[in-house]
Amino acid sequence: DIQMTQSPSSLSASVGDRVTITCRASQDIRDHLAWYQQRAGKAPKSLIYAASTLQSGVPSKFSGSGSGTDFTLTISNLQPEDFATYYCQQYNAFPRTFGQGTKVEIK
Amino acid sequence: EEQLVETGGGLVQPGGSLRLSCATSGFTFSDNYMDWVRQAPGKGLEWVGRIRNKAGSYTTEYAASVKGRFTISRDDSKNSLYLQMNSLKTEDTAVYYCTRTEHAWGQGTLVTVSS
Repeated sequence: DIQMTQSPSSLSASVGDRVTITCRASQDIRDHLAWYQQRAGKAPKSLIYAASTLQSGVPSKFSGSGSGTDFTLTISNLQPEDFATYYCQQYNAFPRTFGQGTKVEIK
Repeated sequence: EEQLVETGGGLVQPGGSLRLSCATSGFTFSDNYMDWVRQAPGKGLEWVGRIRNKAGSYTTEYAASVKGRFTISRDDSKNSLYLQMNSLKTEDTAVYYCTRTEHAWGQGTLVTVSS
């Protein structure tokens, strides 16, 4: 199975900050990577697919990059609604696998 | 607007069975591959399985942890997805989400396996 490792596991940031989350795959997954946001007590929401393509309706403050094994999710101008847990997922091979999540908390 | 609504969760004893349903709208269900993903209490996301569309011969894929116990099916005439869960174990306790692969999620339904 392809292992997905996110870092950091958690981070504290202030409103208005820019944060970057990293996701590393244990083998080459091309650009077959998605990012999801999960607010506390809610279902996940799709943010990005194909490593850098924003889902319809997702604001441009979210951006993704990378290919192969190393990927990043950047969130600019953090707002209260952005404090959540973020997951990456590879869809290059079965079984699909997720990172362990990165919790973005208010400083 | 895409909508995916899961139903059928509840409390079941170990060894029991449960069938989850997912009603969809707002997109062409028959064109899409569909997945089930679960999340145990306080834990991360775990992919459960996939069903392809008619062009993909409705073939399925499963996580090793559920293979042989869970079955995914679909009814394109009803725009609905299903998850039949048999021989349930306590470790199957989770919120189960229906997803349009990489794009949209339902709100989830809680399955609790406990005696």
